[in-house]
Amino acid sequence: AQKVTQAQTEISVVEKEDVTLDCVYETRDTTYYLFWYKQPPSGELVFLIRRNSFDEQNEISGRYSWNFQKSTSSFNFTITASQVVDSAVYFCALSEAGSARQLTFGSGTQLTVLP
Amino acid sequence: DSGVTQTPKHLITATGQRVTLRCSPRSGDLSVYWYQQSLDQGLQFLIQYYNGEERAKGNILERFSAQQFPDLHSELNLSSLELGDSALYFCASSASGRGADTQYFGPGTRLTVL
Repeated sequence: AQKVTQAQTEISVVEKEDVTLDCVYETRDTTYYLFWYKQPPSGELVFLIRRNSFDEQNEISGRYSWNFQKSTSSFNFTITASQVVDSAVYFCALSEAGSARQLTFGSGTQLTVLP
Repeated sequence: DSGVTQTPKHLITATGQRVTLRCSPRSGDLSVYWYQQSLDQGLQFLIQYYNGEERAKGNILERFSAQQFPDLHSELNLSSLELGDSALYFCASSASGRGADTQYFGPGTRLTVL
């Protein structure tokens, strides 16, 4: 069965600091997909990125970057020069190409960016 | 704005009652998913529909049921409500219902059972 672990329950940083959110996953499928979602205080879930298991290239989007390492089953998310607006709960999620097409979520990391 | 709409935004009801949550997927998406977010269980998958047919079931209670209509909107029915059913219920949609799809989430319906 698939599983996603976000060991960091809460992280607090001061504005402009860099912060990395960890995500470790388990799956038996050879083809799978990894996602990050952001849940701001308003409550909605906002899609940030999707990664295929066969594409280990890291990705950068503005202040956001993602490091995918199959060897350690990790898909970590880094925010550079954090801002107060980055304060939210961040969820890592996994879906598989086989029968489990639904998302399996980690427990989330509450990020607080202090001014 | 994800393009997925959910109504109502908030719902307050009493134990033993029945409620219906409604979801309209993004234009062109054929698959709808329902998830429950609670403090103790986190975000959990309930059920998936694709083009009107049930595709996958997760940890959905027997008191809960759902359907997807010909116009592709979906409803989640919760009956014999208990205090523990209080949660944020999300609907998501995707183009084809495959694992590779990105699921886009609606704003959620916050259910409070008193």
